[in-house]
Formats: sequence, structure tokens, C-alpha cells
Amino acid sequence: QTVVTQEPSLTVSPGGTVTLTCGSSTGGITSAHYPYWFQHKPGQAPRTLIFDTDNKYSWTPARFSGSLLGGKAALTLSDAQPEDEAEYYCLLSYSGGFYVFGTGTKVTVL
Amino acid sequence: QVQLQESGPGLVKASETLSLTCTVSGGSMNSSYWTWVRLPPGKGLEWIGYIYPTGSTNYNPSLKSRVTISADTSKIQFSLRLSYVTAADTAVYYCARVRGNSWTWGQGTLVTVSS
Repeated sequence: QTVVTQEPSLTVSPGGTVTLTCGSSTGGITSAHYPYWFQHKPGQAPRTLIFDTDNKYSWTPARFSGSLLGGKAALTLSDAQPEDEAEYYCLLSYSGGFYVFGTGTKVTVL
Repeated sequence: QVQLQESGPGLVKASETLSLTCTVSGGSMNSSYWTWVRLPPGKGLEWIGYIYPTGSTNYNPSLKSRVTISADTSKIQFSLRLSYVTAADTAVYYCARVRGNSWTWGQGTLVTVSS
């Protein structure tokens, strides 16, 4: 069974920077996994922030950026704002056409 | 603008089959992957699977033996069936449309499995 691992929780100060990572039990992540990043707040549907590793949507705040870092997918939040408190999930595509969400990272802005 | 709405029983007995329907409004079912995702309480998002309008499906390997996703393009609906449910299947179930890199979600519906 494929497992995609994220940090369980991270804390960032307002205005600070934090990097979330996403690793796969099958090995290094590449652009061929087409990494997505989602933001999920309680009681709401998830919201996409990043697609295909580092591409933003029109609604993605400029303070969010995606990358590949040391064989993992990464989401960097710069100039963190209180409204960025949420659970963040990566989503990876695997050969065979199936997808796996990461275990999720709870980000606290404090 | 396309909108999705999940519907179905909020309570299912253990060992029975969970059935949910997602009704699509404001769009057709062409050229999109019609997807189910769930969020168990206290846990993370889990990708369940999708159906493409051609009828092609793909499922989470860990659920594959119990899952069926089907579509009725005339009603612009797609459905999820999950058999032999246990308490571990208690979750908020979301339907979603994936077109290119764009995800459109339903609001989610809580399904509780009772013993």
C-alpha cells in the first residue's frame, strides 16, 4: 500500500515562513507525480492551491508556492496570515491512474 | 457554473452497502473525472476513485474490492457504492469534478456506520 507522508503539525509566526513536505513510500517524488496541494478548513470543502508541482490558480495567494525539494514535494508559505490556519494535503498521481492523498499537515499561525 | 450535491442515507448499518449519489447542475458530464473523496473523523482525506464519461473507472487499491462508481449521464449524476461497511467507513464523503487541473467540490455529506 502506497503511503504519502507529511509533517503532522507545524507552527509559524504571523509574517513568518514555513515549508511543508510530502514524501512517498515508493521513492522520490518527481514532476511525473503531478503534485497538488489542497487547503482544508473545518466544515468547508477542500480548496486547491497548487497543481503540477508549482503552478498556482488565479485564487492562490502569492504567499504560497510549490516546489520539489530533496525528492519530496514542498509547499512554502511566506508571510503567514492568521487565515492560513488550516490542514494542508498533498495529492500525488501514480502509474496505473490512481491517486493518494498525503497524511495532512495542520498549520497553526501563532 | 457547475455545482455538485451529494445525497444519500446518513446512517448505514455495519456489513451493509453505503450508497451515495452526486447530482451535477450547471454543466455536462463530458471531459471530466467524476471523483469521490472521504474524510474520516480525526483522520486525513482519502481518494476513493473516479469514473470518466466513457465508463472507465479507477479505484483506491485499498478499497477496490468493495467500491463501485457508476454514472448516469442522462440524469447528470454519478454514484458511489461501498459494500460491507464497518465503523472505519464513517466519514464525510465528497464528490468532485476534476477537469484538467480544476477541482469543483460538493459540500460533503456525513455517513455514519452503526453497529
